[in-house]
Amino acid sequence: EAGVAQSPRYKIIEKRQSVAFWCNPISGHATLYWYQQILGQGPKLLIQFQNNGVVDDSQLPKDRFSAERLKGVDSTLKIQPAKLEDSAVYLCASNKDGTSYGYTFGSGTRLTVV
Amino acid sequence: AQSVTQPDIHITVSEGASLELRCNYSYGATPYLFWYVQSPGQGLQLLLKYFSGDTLVQGIKGFEAEFKRSQSSFNLRKPSVHWSDAAEYFCAVGPRRGSNYKLTFGKGTLLTVNP
Repeated sequence: EAGVAQSPRYKIIEKRQSVAFWCNPISGHATLYWYQQILGQGPKLLIQFQNNGVVDDSQLPKDRFSAERLKGVDSTLKIQPAKLEDSAVYLCASNKDGTSYGYTFGSGTRLTVV
Repeated sequence: AQSVTQPDIHITVSEGASLELRCNYSYGATPYLFWYVQSPGQGLQLLLKYFSGDTLVQGIKGFEAEFKRSQSSFNLRKPSVHWSDAAEYFCAVGPRRGSNYKLTFGKGTLLTVNP
């Protein structure tokens, strides 16, 4: 089966600009996660969707980050405006139904804010 | 609050040598435990997981891990390291019950393998 697709692979922007990342999960996977992985740290959950509803966004900086999952399939994560500390790899993962730990991770988008 | 500690930021071993990566966790109750590996430019791949039963679990690529409840540890081992094992390794925990099965990761251990 196809894996979790993310784009772009790399993005360089200036601070205060906006950026968006896209994720296409494995077909049929109801649960989708966005993780932020800052250099030297482990991934941190930003937001979790179950179908097109938000299950957990407690660690999402809502003043600048937003995410949506229209129609319960693809998802976009947006940052506006970006700060230097947002430089990280943004990982998308999907899970069949969110009741187990059968995660599949995408390759991530590496964001550099200059 | 739950946390995962990987005390070694970077480990270097020679090819063919044995390997042990340490992981300690702090959690309200015994969580589910995981080890993931991340090669450069790649996503996270699950090596193994512990849910219950035998405390020595076998994973892919010849890795194993041992759960020790008394030490709140879940150390990863491999008897003979291959050059292709060079990567970053993450220990993670997750709740046994709940609505979102959220993973909490350690900061990772970078493994370098010398020829």
